[in-house]
Amino acid sequence: KNEVEQSPQNLTAQEGEFITINCSYSVGISALHWLQQHPGGGIVSLFMLSSGKKKHGRLIATINIQEKHSSLHITASHPRDSAVYICAVRQPGSARQLTFGSGTQLTVLP
Amino acid sequence: DSGVTQTPKHLITATGQRVTLRCSPRSGDLSVYWYQQSLDQGLQFLIQYYNGEERAKGNILERFSAQQFPDLHSELNLSSLELGDSALYFCASSALAGGNNEQFFGPGTRLTVL
Repeated sequence: KNEVEQSPQNLTAQEGEFITINCSYSVGISALHWLQQHPGGGIVSLFMLSSGKKKHGRLIATINIQEKHSSLHITASHPRDSAVYICAVRQPGSARQLTFGSGTQLTVLP
Repeated sequence: DSGVTQTPKHLITATGQRVTLRCSPRSGDLSVYWYQQSLDQGLQFLIQYYNGEERAKGNILERFSAQQFPDLHSELNLSSLELGDSALYFCASSALAGGNNEQFFGPGTRLTVL
């Protein structure tokens, strides 16, 4: 079993829809990252969370440490949001290593 | 633009060869990380350097090595290349080595081994 599981693997939405991507992990963590990988391959760090909730524009990330679960929400989705969204966790004492989920491919149709 | 640069963008080489990938971190960042993204394994942490010293090691093969120079740029050396080494190699940087610092990713180097 992978230490970081994401769901769904693939998601297709219509422009304007509210989107949720989930990440569950099975280990204790010190931080969780959400990353966005564009079709060209570049990776952008969206959020780094250790508790609670963060918001940036139309993106919201939440984390529930007790339930070992995080969600990434996109409000008013747009075709330019089409990308792979990757969850990654850092475990305490594991230096600065990140363990990555397999990613969620999001396609937003106009 | 994250401020992290990687060269080259694309590299095509043959099995058995050796290549060097280069990374320049964001201005002021002391920590450099190398990651490999292959189709079957996804993203994996390879190695981290902080201010010239190796800080953490992940799933890095013995055929691979890295170093960070006094000007803080880093190089990842891949030798005796195999078909399975074909992947995207990302470098990321962060300000510090300790704590939960945000990492900024470079655009990646796409390595194709034929």
